[in-house]
Amino acid sequence: GESVGLHLPTLSVQEGDNSIINCAYSNSASDYFIWYKQESGKGPQFIIDIRSNMDKRQGQRVTVLLNKTVKHLSLQIAATQPGDSAVYFCAEMAPNDYKLSFGAGTTVTVRA
Amino acid sequence: DAGVTQSPTHLIKTRGQQVTLRCSPKSGHDTVSWYQQALGQGPQFIFQYYEEEERQRGNFPDRFSGHQFPNYSSELNVNALLLGDSALYLCASSLGLDLYEQYFGPGTRLTVT
Repeated sequence: GESVGLHLPTLSVQEGDNSIINCAYSNSASDYFIWYKQESGKGPQFIIDIRSNMDKRQGQRVTVLLNKTVKHLSLQIAATQPGDSAVYFCAEMAPNDYKLSFGAGTTVTVRA
Repeated sequence: DAGVTQSPTHLIKTRGQQVTLRCSPKSGHDTVSWYQQALGQGPQFIFQYYEEEERQRGNFPDRFSGHQFPNYSSELNVNALLLGDSALYLCASSLGLDLYEQYFGPGTRLTVT
């Protein structure tokens, strides 16, 4: 079977390495997913989104993967930089629903 | 292009008091959602306003109420404050029924003593 990434509350990454942040979402009806980055003392900042008709979407240095079979979402950050240190949240939205439901965040710390 | 703004930045209140938080949406946006973020947790949806009406509400008591003005700005009111209401209150704006891109403000840090 296919392995599912474990959600970890914290992730320590060496500068320049790739980061993978995992998220398990709860609602099988959700059709829209977003990754947010939240730095200390600030509101969540949009990183990348994906709709349920896609499995993968790429942005600048970031890639989001969606596995609807196991309700799993991941965010990959290439060549992690010190400025990537933050708390990362995944959020989901179901059709005809107007709210974002956030998962437990992952604190990413980049080591120099 | 102005982003989402919130005021005040920080606020300290005493149990039992009432508080009003304010939000101005991103330029061109007409929908405002409010979220509560307790320390170390993800944001929790409180309610959403569109066309000056509450469109959807999360699992929050009636002590939490809101309002949207004709210029799309919004207020969040919390009555009879409890210690557990201490949190970061976030406002997010989006455009009409296209809710897929919600932009967050910096939040108001409320401390109830």
